[in-house]
Amino acid sequence: KQEVTQIPAALSVPEGENLVLNCSFTDSAIYNLQWFRQDPGKGLTSLLLIQSSQREQTSGRLNASLDKSSGRSTLYIAASQPGDSATYLCAVSPLKGGATNKLIFGTGTLLAVQP
Amino acid sequence: DAGVTQSPTHLIKTRGQHVTLRCSPISGHKSVSWYQQVLGQGPQFIFQYYEKEERGRGNFPDRFSARQFPNYSSELNVNALLLGDSALYLCASSLEGQLYEQYFGPGTRLTVT
Repeated sequence: KQEVTQIPAALSVPEGENLVLNCSFTDSAIYNLQWFRQDPGKGLTSLLLIQSSQREQTSGRLNASLDKSSGRSTLYIAASQPGDSATYLCAVSPLKGGATNKLIFGTGTLLAVQP
Repeated sequence: DAGVTQSPTHLIKTRGQHVTLRCSPISGHKSVSWYQQVLGQGPQFIFQYYEKEERGRGNFPDRFSARQFPNYSSELNVNALLLGDSALYLCASSLEGQLYEQYFGPGTRLTVT
């Protein structure tokens, strides 16, 4: 059974710091991995999608890497800003899900960037 | 282009009642999925529909049902509501296939009292 874990559960950093969020998954048989941002009580905003054949994706100050063989992904945020404060979720699309495109989520990392 | 839309935004129901939640996907997207997110947890997969057919179902009781309409919008129905059904219900749309990015709506906050 695929399980997704995110460490740390919460993180507080001063503005301007570079930071790394971690995501691990137990079964390497995945189509892709997606990182999301969620503001309190709101829906999910897609940040980056990495296909299983890719090693990393970049968007602005965000860089996500994928090491499928070790079951790990990292989300790197450069020069953090107070507006980056949110919960960050990673999710995998399992190969063994059949015809469905369901996502299996971690429990998220709550990030607070202090001004 | 409009993103995924969901209605209503908030809903308060009493135990034992029935609820219907609605979702409109991004134009051109034929796949709609539903997720339940309990406070402090990651979203849990409930259903996926593609071209009006159920493609997958998560580990939820038969009280949960869904359907997709010819215009690709979708409804999630929950019967005999329990206190534990209180959650944020999220809808996601995508192009067909597991390789495509999923886009989520703002969610419907359901409170069961």
